[in-house]
Amino acid sequence: KAGVTQTPRYLIKTRGQQVTLSCSPISGHRSVSWYQQTPGQGLQFLFEYFSETQRNKGNFPGRFSGRQFSNSRSEMNVSTLELGDSALYLCASSLEGAANTEAFFGQGTRLTVV
Amino acid sequence: GDSVTQMEGPVTLSEEAFLTINCTYTATGYPSLFWYVQYPGEGLQLLLKATKADDKGSNKGFEATYRKETTSFHLEKGSVQVSDSAVYFCALSPSGGYNKLIFGAGTRLAVHP
Repeated sequence: KAGVTQTPRYLIKTRGQQVTLSCSPISGHRSVSWYQQTPGQGLQFLFEYFSETQRNKGNFPGRFSGRQFSNSRSEMNVSTLELGDSALYLCASSLEGAANTEAFFGQGTRLTVV
Repeated sequence: GDSVTQMEGPVTLSEEAFLTINCTYTATGYPSLFWYVQYPGEGLQLLLKATKADDKGSNKGFEATYRKETTSFHLEKGSVQVSDSAVYFCALSPSGGYNKLIFGAGTRLAVHP
């Protein structure tokens, strides 16, 4: 069974640009969550989608957005990139929508903003 | 708001030593509690979980008990191996919070032969 796939694995962008990251969840999983991991702030929740609906959002500016498609694949977009957006972005998928469901994480996309 | 505090690392142990990594949380209601592990070069993996007070999660020799009276979920292992070297994250999922996870800062464990 294939795991969570995130593309691309590495990305270098310039300040002011925008970027789109992709996440393909495990087959059959309907919930996809996104996290930002940095040395200073650790792992922070960005948002969660279930059946194409955003159910939960973390404390990030509106430059961070996402969506989920009917096949459960998800994308997140960051517009007007800032140096501080450099981070490892992790996607996690879960089978169900309950709070106690195991989340399966992808390897992440490492974004560097220069 | 909800939060997780775990002991700072790095923690350095010799093989076969006893491991404790402390984790306390602040949350309203009855959150679910998790320990995730991140091995070098790999993604986060669920190590164990507990969904209600007094539940004990266990896996691969690791254990943690959900203590509501002390709002704690300490991770323990009786005899660590070199292969346990990794970063360990304590996390909670708020009650009614769907699949939102709030993580602690992570504790790096290094086990030497």
